[in-house]
Amino acid sequence: QQQVKQSPQSLIVQKGGISIINCAYENTAFDYFPWYQQFPGKGPALLIAIRPDVSEKKEGRFTISFNKSAKQFSLHIMDSQPGDSATYFCAAYNFNKFYFGSGTKLNVKP
Amino acid sequence: GAGVSQSPRYKVAKRGQDVALRCDPISGHVSLFWYQQALGQGPEFLTYFQNEAQLDKSGLPSDRFFAERPEGSVSTLKIQRTQQEDSAVYLCASSPADWGPQHFGDGTRLSIL
Repeated sequence: QQQVKQSPQSLIVQKGGISIINCAYENTAFDYFPWYQQFPGKGPALLIAIRPDVSEKKEGRFTISFNKSAKQFSLHIMDSQPGDSATYFCAAYNFNKFYFGSGTKLNVKP
Repeated sequence: GAGVSQSPRYKVAKRGQDVALRCDPISGHVSLFWYQQALGQGPEFLTYFQNEAQLDKSGLPSDRFFAERPEGSVSTLKIQRTQQEDSAVYLCASSPADWGPQHFGDGTRLSIL
């Protein structure tokens, strides 16, 4: 049973466009929601994270939107660049465990 | 280096052999996590250490998997009698506190023939 469901599986965006990746969860005990970026052959790298008492967090071109009542959160990448092409994972944390989504492979076309 | 270091980067073993994967966390990081990442999937939790104490090993898929962190720094993940389904990338992550931003290593890609 997957604790965190992520969509879409893959995404193609034109340079300068907005990339949107969505995640949903069921366990209301989750209390920390990070997003990771992973390039081939590398480990995931933390991009941005949010706690459930905040509805939005922005860092540069990256924004997390969090909807506690719907148990959903999303990553928005503004002004997407070819260098953003990577696999993105959402995650949720509770009691010493992180649960990861299945990943979204983003391709930003020049 | 300043990051999490894992070795070896690649490991090929024959089915039935034992393997040991090493993780050097960031110095001073209290928490250490091991994950298994299958091709095209997200990391899946295996086990968690706080200093030398293994506080959660609920993600270890079988008793063939064993992890230790005897002095609260370097950790080793051992897999005995390897099977083909053990083929995956094994990721290690460390964190300065008992939760919060995790810093991942680049993983060990394990292939079982």
